[in-house]
Amino acid sequence: GAVVSQHPSWVICKSGTSVKIECRSLDFQATTMFWYRQFPKQSLMLMATSNEGSKATYEQGVEKDKFLINHASLTLSTLTVTSAHPEDSSFYICSAHGGALLAKNIQYFGAGTRLSVL
Amino acid sequence: AQRVTQPEKLLSVFKGAPVELKCNYSYSGSPELFWYVQYSRQRLQLLLRHISRESIKGFTADLNKGETSFHLKKPFAQEEDSAMYYCAPAAVNSGGSNYKLTFGKGTLLTVNP
Repeated sequence: GAVVSQHPSWVICKSGTSVKIECRSLDFQATTMFWYRQFPKQSLMLMATSNEGSKATYEQGVEKDKFLINHASLTLSTLTVTSAHPEDSSFYICSAHGGALLAKNIQYFGAGTRLSVL
Repeated sequence: AQRVTQPEKLLSVFKGAPVELKCNYSYSGSPELFWYVQYSRQRLQLLLRHISRESIKGFTADLNKGETSFHLKKPFAQEEDSAMYYCAPAAVNSGGSNYKLTFGKGTLLTVNP
């Protein structure tokens, strides 16, 4: 149980285009989903927290217009990197928690999406 | 500011040797402490949380509030323990609605045969 699926696992795009990354909780309802960014050989940095049906809460320094987060259902959150540039190239990871049967405050992670912007 | 420090980037031990991965935190309030692990080519997963006081895969971690530490220990390391380990305190956000994790930089543990 508690599986989080993230898609795509790897995406290459041209500078200026937008990329959407999906995060799904497969067997539980995720009341909260988190989006992280990880640079090579560095730790995970929280970008934003999203609750189903409400606006995401962004961490300081994260541009909300650049990284659009939608959490329209209890099983799906999306991160759209708008007008991507090479400096947006990174590893993006989502996590989720929630569900009546799951221990509180434990996050279940997706496998991550590697974004390469040319 | 909330901060978590894992002083060792790399830690290498031989199989059967004891291992300790250090974690110190600086947090307001009473955070909940977690250790997450990432094995090669796998996703991040929970190893243990201090509140449950359980031992997972032989690992234990004691919360020392006086020293603000949450070191991870195992008496006899195994080769399959080789992985990246992250210490992660969690605290309720300012709105009081969500717990969020702050990850340390991680320690790469290598257990040699």
